[in-house]
Amino acid sequence: ETGVTQSPTHLIKTRGQQVTLRCSSQSGHNTVSWYQQALGQGPQFIFQYYREEENGRGNFPPRFSGLQFPNYSSELNVNALELDDSALYLCASRNGPGETQYFGPGTRLLVL
Amino acid sequence: DQQVKQNSPSLSVQEGRISILNCDYTNSMFDYFLWYKKYPAEGPTFLISISSIKDKNEDGRFTVFLNKSAKHLSLHIVPSQPGDSAVYFCAATAPGSARQLTFGSGTQLTVLP
Repeated sequence: ETGVTQSPTHLIKTRGQQVTLRCSSQSGHNTVSWYQQALGQGPQFIFQYYREEENGRGNFPPRFSGLQFPNYSSELNVNALELDDSALYLCASRNGPGETQYFGPGTRLLVL
Repeated sequence: DQQVKQNSPSLSVQEGRISILNCDYTNSMFDYFLWYKKYPAEGPTFLISISSIKDKNEDGRFTVFLNKSAKHLSLHIVPSQPGDSAVYFCAATAPGSARQLTFGSGTQLTVLP
């Protein structure tokens, strides 16, 4: 059974650019959540997708957007990057909103 | 407004002794609590959880205690092993369609051989 995978592992962008991060959910999992972890802090919820529909969103601006595909993989898009967007972006999947979330290794984004 | 707080950024314990990690929360709607462990360059790994209808849950060396009246939970690791050295995150969820996790800021546990 393959766990949650994320790509790329590291990324460097400049302010104002756009970025797309990818996540493959664990086999059989239909729910994917994205979290942002800034240095020295715990992960913060960005949004969640359940069966290709967004069904929850944290306190993040609209320039953070996402998609979930029929195979339940997901993308996180961030437009107009700001320096404060530098963080570890974590994807988590589970088999339904009430189940335990399993995390991928994350994508480390640095915005210069 | 931090709804889940871990007030100890770090904790050092001798191998074989008990590690106690603490967590406080403010949102009375939280009804399910989890502990995750995180090694560098890896994502958080689920460790143990507890429902608000219980006050204790045990899994091997790991026990989580919940005190609802004090809005406090703790994770006990007995005996502590060097491989337990990691950052431990407390997380909570409330009823709702997303059931998203609200995390504390983490405690770095170091188990000394």
